[in-house]
Amino acid sequence: DADVTQTPRNRITKTGKRIMLECSQTKGHDRMYWYRQDPGLGLRLIYYSFDVKDINKGEISDGYSVSRQAQAKFSLSLESAIPNQTALYFCATKPAGGDTQYFGPGTRLTVL
Amino acid sequence: GENVEQHPSTLSVQEGDSAVIKCTYSDSASNYFPWYKQELGKGPQLIIDIRSNVGEKKDQRIAVTLNKTAKHFSLHITETQPEDSAVYFCAASSGGGADGLTFGKGTHLIIQP
Repeated sequence: DADVTQTPRNRITKTGKRIMLECSQTKGHDRMYWYRQDPGLGLRLIYYSFDVKDINKGEISDGYSVSRQAQAKFSLSLESAIPNQTALYFCATKPAGGDTQYFGPGTRLTVL
Repeated sequence: GENVEQHPSTLSVQEGDSAVIKCTYSDSASNYFPWYKQELGKGPQLIIDIRSNVGEKKDQRIAVTLNKTAKHFSLHITETQPEDSAVYFCAASSGGGADGLTFGKGTHLIIQP
């Protein structure tokens, strides 16, 4: 089984809809991250969490919110999706005190 | 904040030749520099990393060099093989740290048979 899983893997939605992307991990890591990938732009940090009670904004948090339901689960929400939020979304985890981030397989989101 | 520049955006080499990808960073506080490989339809996977107290690190056909004074680091792949074809990302962070990784924009490496 994969250590970091994301659901759904693909999602098509319409402008104005609320969308939730979910991430689960079995690595036992404290820290979790959400990134967005756009063609030619690399990956950009949306939100990160040190633990269940510690949520922080990243570089591009506007239009997004997150919830850390448990150590193993970190969800990303788009309250009212817009077309320029069409992108690949990746979740990552990292152990406290470590440097290496481990990425999930990604969710491809299309907003029409 | 940190800014990471990566070049080239596309690199095509003959199988068996070497490939070099270069990155520069702006924040002198950055001290951790990973390289990720992303294959089509998959998430990025760490292939090698280096910390600022080391100038070079090798792992079989892959090596990374770091010049802290010039704020640049490079990925070297020798004896390239078809399975090396992928998108490669460099990144930088202040390590253990709060704000995740800052990534370069990626290099699409194409290995020509």
